Amino acid sequence: ELVESGGRSVQPGGSLRLSCVASGFTFASHNLNWVRQAPGKGLEWISYISTTSYTIHYSESVKGRFTISRDNAKNSLYLQMSSLRAEDTAVYFCARDRPSFTTFGVVLDLWGQGTLVAVSS
Amino acid sequence: EIVLTQTPLSSPVTLGQAASISCRSSQSLVYSDGKTYLSWLQQRPGQPPRLLIYEISNRLSGVPDRFSGSGAGTEFTLTISRVEAEDVGVYYCMQATQFPRTFGPGTKVEIK
Repeated sequence: ELVESGGRSVQPGGSLRLSCVASGFTFASHNLNWVRQAPGKGLEWISYISTTSYTIHYSESVKGRFTISRDNAKNSLYLQMSSLRAEDTAVYFCARDRPSFTTFGVVLDLWGQGTLVAVSS
Repeated sequence: EIVLTQTPLSSPVTLGQAASISCRSSQSLVYSDGKTYLSWLQQRPGQPPRLLIYEISNRLSGVPDRFSGSGAGTEFTLTISRVEAEDVGVYYCMQATQFPRTFGPGTKVEIK
């Protein structure tokens, strides 16, 4: 199971830290992602982190403003968000990739319920 | 960035009938390891997305066999052989061959 938290209402230009806590599987063995969904819109992948944090990727829309990290000892994934804009308003999901014999494994095989971030003055 | 296009964007179907959704990629999704990282996800109303199919045609454990995926290269299809009421929702294709990972715009499946 994946459970996100930390979402709330914040003013433009503000910062926020989202968390995702995992249970029921070996957290350290899985690459992880953040995906968001603006109200009434489709899915947007925004960030990826490998098992050891060696490899990290961001979408252009959040690069330089958001930072993904993980703590394998705490079974936790984080998203530090800064310089928030109205267009960052969305439900933020964490999702894992399941390892397999292929390069990327089974991508996005388990999702959390999401946490809502609302950026507004 | 790889752009995924889905057709149709809306699909009213009769219960028990088949539904097909197409996904076209702006470039080949074949990775250097020979695999094609094209997945299909379902999002029911008010729910988080759920992975149905990965690597074009592999069903995740627990996914009914009325869901099937096919295709190659840049053209892919999700088929629901006999639509049931619980299949109502939005279906997304997604590519993980190249970062940034991208999703199609989604196809809304509803019952006529």
